Amino acid sequence: QKEVEQDPGPLSVPEGAIVSLNCTYSNSAFQYFMWYRQYSRKGPELLMYTYSSGNKEDGRFTAQVDKSSKYISLFIRDSQPSDSATYLCAMKQRAGAQKLVFGQGTRLTINP
Amino acid sequence: ETGVTQTPRHLVMGMTNKKSLKCEQHLGHNAMYWYKQSAKKPLELMFVYNFKEQTENNSVPSRFSPECPNSSHLFLHLHTLQPEDSALYLCASSRGRDRGFRNTEAFFGQGTRLTVV
Repeated sequence: QKEVEQDPGPLSVPEGAIVSLNCTYSNSAFQYFMWYRQYSRKGPELLMYTYSSGNKEDGRFTAQVDKSSKYISLFIRDSQPSDSATYLCAMKQRAGAQKLVFGQGTRLTINP
Repeated sequence: ETGVTQTPRHLVMGMTNKKSLKCEQHLGHNAMYWYKQSAKKPLELMFVYNFKEQTENNSVPSRFSPECPNSSHLFLHLHTLQPEDSALYLCASSRGRDRGFRNTEAFFGQGTRLTVV
């Protein structure tokens, strides 16, 4: 069993839709959760960073963590074609830890 | 630009060749990383260097040889690779490892797309 499971998609939605991206994990020691966005031919860039359970909002993006279910989500409201990218979830055990465990990534396309 | 620059962006090499990938960071970080990104697989951590010292080797075959001459530069020397080593190789940098609560967010370069023929 993979430590982090993420549906690779592809996921295609119309512009303006609400997008929901998800990851599940098996290691209960994970406490810090990240979402990276990776455009084609680019490296990943950090989009959202959360600690433990709860919600965090940043503009059109909301990250949600449910540690009891070992489930994390990223919601994108009012999706734009510029949001088309691969979204990677990642997690680690401590803030200062350097070993990130990544999901496979979900390829998202927003159609105009 | 993230402040992490990788060269070359693309590389095609034969199985008997020797080549090197280069990474440079301008962020004042003390930790540097090599990751491998293959199609349909998660990003895999290969090596971690803290203050020029290798602190993690994730069971990487010896045909991959990292070198970190200083905190700003990282190399990955490649020799006698296999076709299955074809992938996107990503370099990243961050603050040095921390036992406290300071975050060690990683900043990635754009990667080198390697094809082994």
